Amino acid sequence: DTGVSQNPRHKITKRGQNVTFRCDPISEHNRLYWYRQTLGQGPEFLTYFQNEAQLEKSRLLSDRFSAERPKGSFSTLEIQRTEQGDSAMYLCASSLRVTGTEAFFGQGTRLTVV
Amino acid sequence: GENVEQHPSTLSVQEGDSAVIKCTYSDSASNYFPWYKQELGKRPQLIIDIRSNVGEKKDQRIAVTLNKTAKHFSLHITETQPEDSAVYFCAATSGNTPLVFGKGTRLSVIA
Repeated sequence: DTGVSQNPRHKITKRGQNVTFRCDPISEHNRLYWYRQTLGQGPEFLTYFQNEAQLEKSRLLSDRFSAERPKGSFSTLEIQRTEQGDSAMYLCASSLRVTGTEAFFGQGTRLTVV
Repeated sequence: GENVEQHPSTLSVQEGDSAVIKCTYSDSASNYFPWYKQELGKRPQLIIDIRSNVGEKKDQRIAVTLNKTAKHFSLHITETQPEDSAVYFCAATSGNTPLVFGKGTRLSVIA
């Protein structure tokens, strides 16, 4: 499968625990995005990378959230001290840097904080 | 930053009728406007996109129009089929910013 891959697909965690999600983008794509989607809403931008550089972070990304893309390939999104409000689908997408090119989404990681 | 508004939030049409979904954007620098379809439990997938140098684009039963002056763009689906039922999202970007999505339109095509 040469598409965007996310792991795990589902994660249930207790409030206060830390969780980490992984995204493997399409290999030639140098842009990687993280979005959060809650039921009935559109994807909300969290952060994005161009190669290994984190270019922008949303105000939604509190200090409990951190994202990395150390080698410009896969990326991880960590949430520390999870809260029930963090429950959502976390989507990763990748694209080429060129303006106006399609962003391809992964299947997402569904996080449930209990 | 960019803000994208999408209407309606839900839309029901009879099979064979047309469906129209409208979006407005705020950033005049935005120049790329994709539309994504998301079926239940699946990832969003691009169905059509338009760049700011054209006013209309068509792909079989799907068309998108763009009015840069008014900062709005629309998705038109003709001859709707039950498999068109899904949530549709519009988005906008200037290319130097990430895609900003609308809140989505749940389309139901009634057979």
